[in-house]
Amino acid sequence: EAQVTQNPRYLITVTGKKLTVTCSQNMNHEYMSWYRQDPGLGLRQIYYSMNVEVTDKGDVPEGYKVSRKEKRNFPLILESPSPNQTSLYFCASRKTQSYNEQFFGPGTRLTVL
Amino acid sequence: RKEVEQDPGPFNVPEGATVAFNCTYSNSASQSFFWYRQDCRKEPKLLMSVYSSGNEDGRFTAQLNRASQYISLLIRDSKLSDSATYLCVVNIEGGGFKTIFGAGTRLFVKA
Repeated sequence: EAQVTQNPRYLITVTGKKLTVTCSQNMNHEYMSWYRQDPGLGLRQIYYSMNVEVTDKGDVPEGYKVSRKEKRNFPLILESPSPNQTSLYFCASRKTQSYNEQFFGPGTRLTVL
Repeated sequence: RKEVEQDPGPFNVPEGATVAFNCTYSNSASQSFFWYRQDCRKEPKLLMSVYSSGNEDGRFTAQLNRASQYISLLIRDSKLSDSATYLCVVNIEGGGFKTIFGAGTRLFVKA
């Protein structure tokens, strides 16, 4: 089954404790992206990657890191989480061309205390 | 001003009604346009792509006006199952390859 998976689905952590949210897709997509969704603000792009070893900032990259060492995986790293990073996070992937549909993972609900 | 703006909603309509959603975008490097549907904090799913010539998929019709930087979605004969949040989405090519979402418009269809 073609899908995007994220782990963990739910996470409660404390300020300053480094965490990684994993994202994996099995569709051989070149483009992968991370978004956060907050009430009233919609989805905002954090980082995206056009292919292996090619990453770029979205609109809200502060406090986040990403890496793309393999085509299928695109982990999101929070080196020192803060309460304002409490949010619902979605990973997505698509083929390179911008007219292609994005496929989303099920989301990770993160709470930073 | 947000790069992609949608009607704030919510829209409350009876079954069988026709409802229209509007969206405007401001980035002239916008290349591809979509409507996604999101159910209750679940992942967004593609409803339809939007083309300059306009396109229809059953009860759903999408229109794009590049000159006015305006996108619309028309839902005819609304069903209870259409209740969801509708997201206007724009892919930008130029100075990066970003995706910009509108904040979404919530639709409630009532019996």
